[in-house]
This record gives sequence, structure tokens and C-alpha cells, in this order.
Amino acid sequence: DGGITQSPKYLFRKEGQNVTLSCEQNLNHDAMYWYRQDPGQGLRLIYYSQIVNDFQKGDIAEGYSVSREKKESFPLTVTSAQKNPTAFYLCASTTTRLANEKLFFGSGTQLSVL
Amino acid sequence: AQSVTQPDIHITVSEGASLELRCNYSYGATPYLFWYVQSPGQGLQLLLKYFSGDTLVQGIKGFEAEFKRSQSSFNLRKPSVHWSDAAEYFCAVALGGGSQGNLIFGKGTKLSVKP
Repeated sequence: DGGITQSPKYLFRKEGQNVTLSCEQNLNHDAMYWYRQDPGQGLRLIYYSQIVNDFQKGDIAEGYSVSREKKESFPLTVTSAQKNPTAFYLCASTTTRLANEKLFFGSGTQLSVL
Repeated sequence: AQSVTQPDIHITVSEGASLELRCNYSYGATPYLFWYVQSPGQGLQLLLKYFSGDTLVQGIKGFEAEFKRSQSSFNLRKPSVHWSDAAEYFCAVALGGGSQGNLIFGKGTKLSVKP
């Protein structure tokens, strides 16, 4: 079955540590996105990529980094510079061939600080 | 600046009752509007979307929404709620000519369903 896979489901970060969240899709989608979700805050865009080897900052990119070396993969690194990383992180993808295609979401990663 | 407002943080309805979730947007051009649903600990699933044409759009799971330009609203409705509809609902508006990922989301409305 096609879809988006995020791993791990739960992740814990120690002070000063970088952690990487995985996002893989087999939908042949060109565009991929990372959102952060905090309780009562909705979703906020961290980074997005419309094509391999290219990505753009979203609204809250500080303290995060991404790469897009393969079409299927868009990992997110939460760096030690992100002082409040505890949140639910959602990856999404869509084809950019049609402007009105829906977003497909993964099932999320809950990141907590130890 | 573009924004989406969902005035109700939490709504409780009885099973079988009708439902309306409110959404107001602020956007200078013709908006692309969406409703997504999220079950606890899961990703979001698209319920329906509006781009143009008929202002009443039908979605999955028996949901519909009506675009009212004069009121800058895109309210979600369902005639008879089922217990499985309990979830969090997000309204969103697309920026940049419909580029899906550059969505602005509302803060969500949590729906609880009483037996």
C-alpha cells in the first residue's frame, strides 16, 4: 500500500542533543512538508521541499534542518538550538503536478525532552 | 495577513444530532479552503476542499461545507453525528495560488460525541 511512514512514533531528546525524525513516502510525490503541532496551536510549517535537493524554510524553521537527497525521503533534524522541541511532528506530501491535490499525512512523531 | 479562525475550541454533541463547526478566514484573494480531521495520535485526513464553483461541497464520511464569501466563512456540517466522528477538526486556507503545502491552519475544534 502506498503512504507516508514516519519513525519513530515516540522520541526522547536529551539536553544538547540533535535528533532526526524520519519521513518516507512511496506515493511518488514531488513535494514534502514538515509541520509542528502543539496543543491548541494548530499546525505550523517548519520546512518544505518541492523537488529533490531543494527546500525552503517555513514559518518556524529556526532550530531545525532538513535534507532532500531522494524523492522518497525528507528527514527532519531537531538541533540543540531548538529550545522548546517538545511537540508532535507531522510529515506530509503531495504531488505538485496539480495545484489542488490534497496533502497526505504520516501518523506523526511525538518528541519529548528528557 | 492571512489567518484562519475556528472560534470553538471544544464542542460536545449527542450522537444523532446535527453538527456545525465554524471557520472564518482572512485572505485577500479567492481562497482555497480545506477541512481536515485528526484522530488522537494520528495524522490528518482531508474531509473536503473548495476551490471554485458550487459553494456547497460534499466530502467524505457524510460531511459538507458551505463557502460564503460575504461572511468569509467555510463552516463544516453533518446532519447526524456518529460516535466515530469524535476527533479534532482543522480548517485551512491555501496560499500561493493553491500550493497545498503552504497552508495556514486554524487552531482546531475538538469534537466530543455523547452517547
